[in-house]
This record gives sequence, C-alpha cells and structure tokens, in this order.
Amino acid sequence: GAGVSQSPSNKVTEKGKDVELRCDPISGHTALYWYRQSLGQGLEFLIYFQGNSAPDKSGLPSDRFSAERTGGSVSTLTIQRTQQEDSAVYLCASSYRGEQPQHFGDGTRLSIL
Amino acid sequence: DQQVKQNSPSLSVQEGRISILNCDYTNSMFDYFLWYKKYPAEGPTFLISISSIKDKNEDGRFTVFLNKSAKHLSLHIVPSQPGDSAVYFCAATARGSQGNLIFGKGTKLSVKP
Repeated sequence: GAGVSQSPSNKVTEKGKDVELRCDPISGHTALYWYRQSLGQGLEFLIYFQGNSAPDKSGLPSDRFSAERTGGSVSTLTIQRTQQEDSAVYLCASSYRGEQPQHFGDGTRLSIL
Repeated sequence: DQQVKQNSPSLSVQEGRISILNCDYTNSMFDYFLWYKKYPAEGPTFLISISSIKDKNEDGRFTVFLNKSAKHLSLHIVPSQPGDSAVYFCAATARGSQGNLIFGKGTKLSVKP
C-alpha cells in the first residue's frame, strides 16, 4: 500500500515479556518517528530517525525502550521487560526529508496483562 | 508540563454550523503548527498547518488562525458535516517545518445531523 504500515495491529502480552513493533514507512520518506498514545492522552514523542543521522532518542521513557531502523526503511521498536504502564497505542509516522506533515500509520494497540 | 493545551475535551455542533476548536501553547519557540483528525482505531490524518509567519491559512472548509501574541490557535470548520465527527489534535514544532511534534490531548467533535 501507499501509506505507513504497522504490525501487529494488536498485541497482548504478559508483564515482563519483550515485544517488538514494526513500522514500514512510505516509500521515499527518509524521516521516521515513533509516538505513543496512552488512554485519554495526546501523542507522546518517543524517537526520530532522519536519514543516516544519529536518531533523536530524547523521548524514550526508559532504557527498556529501544528502536532501530535498518537500511533507512523499516523500523522496529522494542520494549524489554514490559510493564503495565507500557499499555498504549504505539504510532509510527514518516515524512519526506523530515518536512511536515508527518503521515501516520494506524498504530499497534499494546496491552500488558 | 503540557506545552500544547486543548482545554475542551469535547464539542458538540449542529450540522451546517461552524465548529471552532481551540489550542493554546506555552513554548514561544514553537514556529509551526498542525491540526490532525483521528477516527477510532485509525492513525491521525493531517488536516491543515500554519507557519508562525502567517496568521491565517485556509483550505476548503477548514481555516486555521494563529495569534502569536496570545500563543493561541484555532481551527474553524464551516459548514460542519456529520463526517467531521472525530478527535482533533493540535500539534506544534520548534524546528521550523522539521522535527518531532508536541501534541495536545485532543478535542472530540460531534456533529449532529
């Protein structure tokens, strides 16, 4: 498809497990962003990749969170030793050369039991 | 501390009337602002944006107004349609047109037929 693709759309896991969330950006978009939306809250910035530059990790809430972007395209967000407060919708966005607007995927709804 | 505030969690409007959604910000470094619309279980969709060098931007039924001295922006939708019913997020960035976005918590708009 032409839009940002995220998988899985839903993920339920037990507390303490590791999870991996995937984002496939729009073809040709060099910038990729991860956000999360907790219940009743706005979107919270997590991490930003732009081309070959070092990522902006300033939004990651703890060292249990990490992300990588291989080959300048697909990105994986990893959460280790999940906690119940990690339950949220994780949204990925991409943009052309870092310019606005950002285009969002439909997100992964993560539920930690 | 919230840098982007949408103080009305919800708004109900009659079809055909004007919808006005408000947004306030505290960071004077913000210089680019966007509105996104979000339906349930979907990612946010870009609606309209404005640079801080302008005070108005219009696109069809949607107009965004920016008052820099008051650190306030508003989105006007006229005429409102039932299909406009969604959550509207205001977002801002301090890096010109690039970089991660800071989001408000959203306003849920209901347009009654």
